[in-house]
Amino acid sequence: GAVVSQHPSWVICKSGTSVKIECRSLDFQATTMFWYRQFPKQSLMLMATSNEGSKATYEQGVEKDKFLINHASLTLSTLTVTSAHPEDSSFYICSASDHGATNYGYTFGSGTRLTVV
Amino acid sequence: QKEVEQDPGPLSVPEGAIVSLNCTYSNSAFQYFMWYRQYSRKGPELLMYTYSSGNKEDGRFTAQVDKSSKYISLFIRDSQPSDSATYLCAMSYTGNQFYFGTGTSLTVIP
Repeated sequence: GAVVSQHPSWVICKSGTSVKIECRSLDFQATTMFWYRQFPKQSLMLMATSNEGSKATYEQGVEKDKFLINHASLTLSTLTVTSAHPEDSSFYICSASDHGATNYGYTFGSGTRLTVV
Repeated sequence: QKEVEQDPGPLSVPEGAIVSLNCTYSNSAFQYFMWYRQYSRKGPELLMYTYSSGNKEDGRFTAQVDKSSKYISLFIRDSQPSDSATYLCAMSYTGNQFYFGTGTSLTVIP
């Protein structure tokens, strides 16, 4: 079945530094990938839609200059949290679709736990 | 008002029990309804997907959608300790952007 690989699974960084999270579709091509953020005991909130070869679409309230998204190939999207602060500490999850090849098709990565100290 | 409401629980049941998980929603335009299971520190995995109204069964899992009441349910029969996880409902207008519930934490006690 469709597999989405996300790395790293966890990261601790100092306040003010930048962190890059990778999301790869391993056995299918994904023209669109989605980035979510999940705070403890809260819903997954869509942050942005990543489109291969074009600019990402950000949800209202998400700073595009702080959360940089690059989708340079059909199998890789990256999210860079720039100048991270403790309030950015969260669980970041990507998802991608194999367009119906598998059970409606949206597969999630295993998530990245970001802690900013 | 949130788009999707889900009781966070926690819910604790004995092994073998029937579990009922529910979500309500406010927007009648939702057409796609999904249930995901999420283990601790992992990404969600799709359990059930339903388009529009009706029931869908897959093994021990049954998903129901009642669009007139804006209410969806997931039933787990013969619950097992391995079913212990957080269950998230999700809905979509278009099949692309999803609105998630907060998740219900379930523990099945052996």
